[in-house]
Amino acid sequence: EIVLTQSPATLSLSPGERATLSCRASQSVNSFLAWYQQKPGQAPRLFIYDASNRATGIPARFSGSGSGTDFTLTISSLEPEDFAVYYCQQRSNWPRTFGGGTKVEI
Amino acid sequence: EVQLVESGGGLVQPGGSLRLSCAASGFTFADYYMDWVRQAPGKGLEWVGLIRHKPQSYTVEYAASVKGRFSISRDDSKNTLYLQMNSLKSEDTAIYYCVRNALAWLESWGQGTLVTVSS
Repeated sequence: EIVLTQSPATLSLSPGERATLSCRASQSVNSFLAWYQQKPGQAPRLFIYDASNRATGIPARFSGSGSGTDFTLTISSLEPEDFAVYYCQQRSNWPRTFGGGTKVEI
Repeated sequence: EVQLVESGGGLVQPGGSLRLSCAASGFTFADYYMDWVRQAPGKGLEWVGLIRHKPQSYTVEYAASVKGRFSISRDDSKNTLYLQMNSLKSEDTAIYYCVRNALAWLESWGQGTLVTVSS
């Protein structure tokens, strides 16, 4: 099973600041990595797929990069609605696995 | 608009069984693979399993933690996805999400149904 390790666990920032979230895989997943956002009491939402492609309706301030084992989600300038938990997920191997999440808080 | 509505959650004793349903609308259900994902209270996401569509013979994949106890099925005539859960354990307590799989990603999620396994 591929283990995804996200860091940091919590990121404390202010609106307007840049956020950099990391996801590291225990073995290569090529570019088969996605990022999801989850707000309290809501279902997760697909934000980035295939490492760097924004899903429908996702603002351009969100960008994903990386391949192999190291991936980054960058939020160029935080908006109030961006404070949430972000999960990475791989689909390179079975079973599909998620990282433990990074909480972006004010 | 894609809609996925889960039902069937509730309180069940350890060792018991429960069947979850997911009613899909707003898209051609038969064309898509479908997944189940769960989230224990206050915890992260855990993928449960997937069912492919008819051209792929409705084949399934499961997480090791549920293999042999859970079974995913679908009824394309009713636009409904199912999760049969047997031999339930306390660690199966979670919100269970039905998810549409598009381009092999978890693209559209239902709001989830809570399953509590407790005596």
